[in-house]
Amino acid sequence: DTGVSQDPRHKITKRGQNVTFRCDPISEHNRLYWYRQTLGQGPEFLTYFQNEAQLEKSRLLSDRFSAERPKGSFSTLEIQRTEQGDSAMYLCASTTWGTDTDTQYFGPGTRLTVL
Amino acid sequence: ELKVEQNPLFLSMQEGKNYTIYCNYSTTSDRLYWYRQDPGKSLESLFVLLSNGAVKQEGRLMASLDTKARLSTLHITAAVHDLSATYFCAGVNFGNEKLTFGTGTRLTIIP
Repeated sequence: DTGVSQDPRHKITKRGQNVTFRCDPISEHNRLYWYRQTLGQGPEFLTYFQNEAQLEKSRLLSDRFSAERPKGSFSTLEIQRTEQGDSAMYLCASTTWGTDTDTQYFGPGTRLTVL
Repeated sequence: ELKVEQNPLFLSMQEGKNYTIYCNYSTTSDRLYWYRQDPGKSLESLFVLLSNGAVKQEGRLMASLDTKARLSTLHITAAVHDLSATYFCAGVNFGNEKLTFGTGTRLTIIP
């Protein structure tokens, strides 16, 4: 078990560009969550998947954001026409839903800087 | 909508001292989690508290849950420098199981 991985770890982009992040969850986990964390704050929920189905999106997730989990394994988060306010750490977490604890295990995150 | 508040936001302690971080939440939460985050790093799961009166201990850290008071505490005993980090508590929203985090407590242990 290698844990949750995310790629890239850092991304610097110019305003208006599109970026895509990838998350590989722990292999047997059926739920995958995306969170965003800005400096000095706790992570905020963005969206989550159960297997390949996207079940909920936060109001934080504008139309410029889209997420997929096409085969119920890895997930991608795309931000179109990035803005400076998108600069944050994007965290992915996975869990096996239905266990006693449902602990979410977090990946290392992708730090996005929009210039 | 679940809201989670932590205090203090910042805590500077001397090595060897004891202290407690408090986590209040606004509505019923099925479980309460504690995570640790080192600067620039991701979140590490510390404890999950499942029921009223639950107490978990790992090393110098002990977490407890009072669901009637909607309060969880993280107690640090005889602090050591390695415990310097930001600690988050998080409650769970029923149904989607998304985590709602507090703003975190940045703990600095001074030699």
